[in-house]
Amino acid sequence: DGGITQSPKYLFRKEGQNVTLSCEQNLNHDAMYWYRQDPGQGLRLIYYSQIVNDFQKGDIAEGYSVSREKKESFPLTVTSAQKNPTAFYLCASKAELLRELFFGEGSRLTVL
Amino acid sequence: GIQVEQSPPDLILQEGANSTLRCNFSDSVNNLQWFHQNPWGQLINLFYIPSGTKQNGRLSATTVATERYSLLYISSSQTTDSGVYFCAPTQGGSEKLVFGKGTKLTVNP
Repeated sequence: DGGITQSPKYLFRKEGQNVTLSCEQNLNHDAMYWYRQDPGQGLRLIYYSQIVNDFQKGDIAEGYSVSREKKESFPLTVTSAQKNPTAFYLCASKAELLRELFFGEGSRLTVL
Repeated sequence: GIQVEQSPPDLILQEGANSTLRCNFSDSVNNLQWFHQNPWGQLINLFYIPSGTKQNGRLSATTVATERYSLLYISSSQTTDSGVYFCAPTQGGSEKLVFGKGTKLTVNP
């Protein structure tokens, strides 16, 4: 089945460690996005990429990094510089000619 | 950037009731989507509706772009409708959806 796969679903990390969240899509979508959601809040954009080897900062990019080496993959690294990394992270993708955004199931990161 | 306000923040219904969720936005938009986030966190597309009215089963949505609001109607609600409903517009040539804080809906049996 076509879709967006995020892994891991749950991740625990000690302070000071970098972690990488995986996002893979087999929908042949051009654009991919990372959002962060805190409890009781809406989603905020971290990074997005419209084509391979290119990406742009969203509203809360500090302390995060991404890469887009393949169309299917858009991993997110939460670095030790991110002050409040505990959150629910959602990856999304969109086809160029369509307007709808589709989401993966999310990754829940807890920093101990 | 564009500001998005959703109301009410919380809504509790008995199964079978109807409801209207509202989304106000501060600027003109060229895209607007409604999403349902289920209790496990998954976000599901409901509607892409920058203007006009659409219906899908018990759900329908209307966007009046000139007056900067969108409405989501849920009729004959079911317990599976519970979750958080988000409105997310974009403006101009931006690719970035801006999310409201959502309306948390609880449908009791």
